[in-house]
Amino acid sequence: EADIYQTPRYLVIGTGKKITLECSQTMGHDKMYWYQQDPGMELHLIHYSYGVNSTEKGDLSSESTVSRIRTEHFPLTLESARPSHTSQYLCASSGTSGRYQLYEQYFGPGTRLTVT
Amino acid sequence: KNEVEQSPQNLTAQEGEFITINCSYSVGISALHWLQQHPGGGIVSLFMLSSGKKKHGRLIATINIQEKHSSLHITASHPRDSAVYICAVPRIQGAQKLVFGQGTRLTINP
Repeated sequence: EADIYQTPRYLVIGTGKKITLECSQTMGHDKMYWYQQDPGMELHLIHYSYGVNSTEKGDLSSESTVSRIRTEHFPLTLESARPSHTSQYLCASSGTSGRYQLYEQYFGPGTRLTVT
Repeated sequence: KNEVEQSPQNLTAQEGEFITINCSYSVGISALHWLQQHPGGGIVSLFMLSSGKKKHGRLIATINIQEKHSSLHITASHPRDSAVYICAVPRIQGAQKLVFGQGTRLTINP
């Protein structure tokens, strides 16, 4: 079982609010990812981190921002939530430490966000 | 054309049937991933393979690098196998950023 956690699991929030989705992993992985998935649709990478203080945008343009100040923590922030941000957000990590397989990505349980 | 194509998009079968899900990709890869997404949304990595075949319990994954094609098989299917199965490959060979197929929604009826 993967040691990667996301909070909250579900969030319903009004338009204009600032929100932060939390993601933490205890596997010592250097690479972390944020994916966005609309219902019934495929996953799209929105943010990627190679390691501490290293982040880049993914394939799908997103108004969210991320930070990577600590190896284990990769939060995603929306400064002003809008209904178009309603989606599921999944965090993942990969690396080569310990018993975890090289390059295999381990996913968190996801945060289902609804902006009203 | 998508870089990763899965077929079928939806599959309904009876308990006990042998299931095959196919994945074709157009990018050069170092490894292909098969993932399982449960109705609650959580994703589990099933296989990562770069050649030949891998088996885990009732699940078998095969890949043909030359033909850029992979299959996921489920033997003696069970209702708890009902989920969305997703194929993913690195966009750039050797990289870890993945491109995902649209998924195959599998329903196994008792």
